[in-house]
Amino acid sequence: QKEVEQNSGPLSVPEGAIASLNCTYSDRVSQSFFWYRQYSGKSPELIMSIYSNGDKEDGRFTAQLNKASQYVSLLIRDSQPSDSATYLCAVNTAMNTGFQKLVFGTGTRLLVSP
Amino acid sequence: EPEVTQTPSHQVTQMGQEVILRCVPISNHLYFYWYRQILGQKVEFLVSFYNNEISEKSEIFDDQFSVERPDGSNFTLKIRSTKLEDSAMYFCASSAVGHSTDTQYFGPGTRLTVL
Repeated sequence: QKEVEQNSGPLSVPEGAIASLNCTYSDRVSQSFFWYRQYSGKSPELIMSIYSNGDKEDGRFTAQLNKASQYVSLLIRDSQPSDSATYLCAVNTAMNTGFQKLVFGTGTRLLVSP
Repeated sequence: EPEVTQTPSHQVTQMGQEVILRCVPISNHLYFYWYRQILGQKVEFLVSFYNNEISEKSEIFDDQFSVERPDGSNFTLKIRSTKLEDSAMYFCASSAVGHSTDTQYFGPGTRLTVL
């Protein structure tokens, strides 16, 4: 069973702080990793994708991947109250057909207080 | 910006009834997916679909479920005889080329309530 693990939170940070969200995965051959944001009652919205070891930055967001440790993280700088949401880590599991199949973690709830 | 659309936004049905959930993927996308999310739980893969065929399905996707692309734009999920435990949000997603690094774009979801 291919698993993606996240701390469910909530992770509480003050406005302007850095929020650090973590995720581990079990399938060693996974190739691509995604962070989605989900507001309550809404659908997942892509924040970042990362495929290679190291850091990838996009605005206030930085994704970090360490395939040896099977670990992926998301840093949110200058956190805003509007960032308050559940952040879903998703891993594309390797499939012989080459088609995608995303396995999601349970998500980490982030609360940014003004 | 192109987006995935889904109808209806909320479907209420009686146990044992058939429901059809509809999705219009992004127009130039070739790969389509259904996921579900039971309230308070994780998003779960149901099925992927390409070239008018199922490419993979999960153990959740049993004989009660079927998918179809009845025309050039719609992609549907049918549940033949709904159970109470089918109550969930159902998300349709699409991607352009299906490569492992491709992005799946999610629709707004259909909330299915089975009474």
